[in-house]
Amino acid sequence: TQLLEQSPQFLSIQEGENLTVYCNSSSVFSSLQWYRQEPGEGPVLLVTVVTGGEVKKLKRLTFQFGDARKDSSLHITAAQPGDTGLYLCAGPVSDAGNMLTFGGGTRLMVKP
Amino acid sequence: AAGVIQSPRHLIKEKRETATLKCYPIPRHDTVYWYQQGPGQDPQFLISFYEKMQSDKGSIPDRFSAQQFSDYHSELNMSSLELGDSALYFCASSLAGLAHVGYTFGSGTRLTVV
Repeated sequence: TQLLEQSPQFLSIQEGENLTVYCNSSSVFSSLQWYRQEPGEGPVLLVTVVTGGEVKKLKRLTFQFGDARKDSSLHITAAQPGDTGLYLCAGPVSDAGNMLTFGGGTRLMVKP
Repeated sequence: AAGVIQSPRHLIKEKRETATLKCYPIPRHDTVYWYQQGPGQDPQFLISFYEKMQSDKGSIPDRFSAQQFSDYHSELNMSSLELGDSALYFCASSLAGLAHVGYTFGSGTRLTVV
């Protein structure tokens, strides 16, 4: 059973469209992170959200942490082919440990 | 800036052989994590080390072992390889206490067992 559930699992859209990826849990997380991974490469950290209700923007990407710190979303505006990749949310398993648990990932394809 | 270095990038082994994967963390990072990622799956935590001691253990098979050395680099030793061990193996590093801020991952080692 995944602690973090991502949806959708797959998303194929045209260039210029907007999209939202969701990361949900029944557990409270002290923080959540979003990574982007390209084929054959390691995940690259995009952002960490820490405070409930926090919103962070990274160019066309907007990340939000739910008020209860159980969920997060990633919104991409005017998607571009370069946004294609696997998007992973992750959070610490416990406040004491350093281990991260990952969501199942959302595989995004943006067609030109 | 220096990143997490993993070697080799690709490795092909036969069933029942052994393999050793190496990871060199970002300088001054004292915590190393190993993850396994199967095709189309998210990374699964194997094991982590802090200051050369094992700190957390995940779904690491008994056939695998790992250690962290005095220079903080880590090695994942895999024995009696099985076809199902074919996967991407990632190493990540962080400063202890700051893992919640995020990991830095290496580019991974693609292991293929034939």
